[in-house]
This record gives sequence, structure tokens and C-alpha cells, in this order.
Amino acid sequence: AQSVTQPDIHITVSEGASLELRCNYSYGATPYLFWYVQSPGQGLQLLLKYFSGDTLVQGIKGFEAEFKRSQSSFNLRKPSVHWSDAAEYFCAVAPRGGGNKLTFGTGTQLKVEL
Amino acid sequence: GAVVSQHPSWVICKSGTSVKIECRSLDFQATTMFWYRQFPKQSLMLMATSNEGSKATYEQGVEKDKFLINHASLTLSTLTVTSAHPEDSSFYICSANLREASTGELFFGEGSRLTVL
Repeated sequence: AQSVTQPDIHITVSEGASLELRCNYSYGATPYLFWYVQSPGQGLQLLLKYFSGDTLVQGIKGFEAEFKRSQSSFNLRKPSVHWSDAAEYFCAVAPRGGGNKLTFGTGTQLKVEL
Repeated sequence: GAVVSQHPSWVICKSGTSVKIECRSLDFQATTMFWYRQFPKQSLMLMATSNEGSKATYEQGVEKDKFLINHASLTLSTLTVTSAHPEDSSFYICSANLREASTGELFFGEGSRLTVL
């Protein structure tokens, strides 16, 4: 069965520290990969996406993610976290050629300590 | 960038009443819109895919008679929760894809929080 796993439910980091949020997927073939961020009571904002090509993807707000086929992973990183980055982060996948049906991970709640 | 707007952003209703939530693509045409439901501190679960001019496609386990979806134009899809009950209380989010865009060009609305008393 297709699935997306975000192993960390909660993560707390100090402002200025680096961040890595993990995402693993289980799919028949490499899907399209996404990271979204959700602030409380808000919709989702796309941070970055991977379709093909360079496996290191740059996104908005200083985020990047690296696709590793051998590990079926698409981890999100940021070198220096800002207090405004506190939010819920969702990894999502969509099948190639299967339209836009996204399957979301369970999310990781990021807390930033000042 | 493309903007998707939902209305209302929050609604409180009595049990047994029906509630309509609108999802509009403000500056682009969307052939397909998606409706998600999100329980507190949980992920988004796809409820249905709404296609302009045709019937919606519901995910397994979603009652189509309870969650009526209409996609009357390329910029508007509506979700009506009929005979709402407290267990229908949730955060409902829509998304839309750019008509001419490739897979994954999805834009999300701000969400609508429904509370059924």
C-alpha cells in the first residue's frame, strides 16, 4: 500500500539552529514529492516540490529538501530556523501520471524556542 | 501566485442543519478541485475530487449523500454538509490545480472550520 511516513510528531529547536524534518514514502514508483507548511487555523502553503532532475530542491523561506531514491526519503532542511517557522509541516506525494491526488503524511509540529 | 479562497472561514451551526462551503480560484481556472478534511492535530484526508461539469469522485468511506459537491464553473466548487452532526465538526480545506499546469501545481484555500452544536 502507498504511504507517507513522518516519524517525528513533534520537534523543538532553538532559534538559529539547523532543522531536518524526515519523510519516507512507500510507493510502487518514485512519486512526485512535496513539502507543505500549515500555520494554525490556516490552509497549506507549498514550500517545495520534486518532480525530477537535481535531487536537492530549493524552496521558499530558505528551505531545501533532498530526494534519496535508495532510502525512499525526502527530508526537509533549513540551516537556521527562525521563530516564525513554528508551524505544522506536511510531506506529501502524488503518483506520476495519476493526477493531483495528494497523499499526506501525518505531519510534524515544529516548535521554535527563543 | 494563484489564489484559492474559501468561504466561510468558520461556521457554527445546529445539529440537523446543512452548511455550504465555497471554494473559489480567484485568478485562474481550475478544472479540478479537491476537498480535504482535517481533524485536530491530524493530517489531511482526501474526501473527494471535484471536476467541473461532472460528478465528484468520492474516496472510499466518504458518504456522497452527506457531503454534496458541486463544481458548477471553472472557478467555483462547493461542499455542502447535509444534516450536519457534531461528528462532522472539522477543518475542511479545498485545493485547486492550474488548468494548464502539470501535476502537483496545487493551491490550497485557507480552510473552513465547521463546528456543529
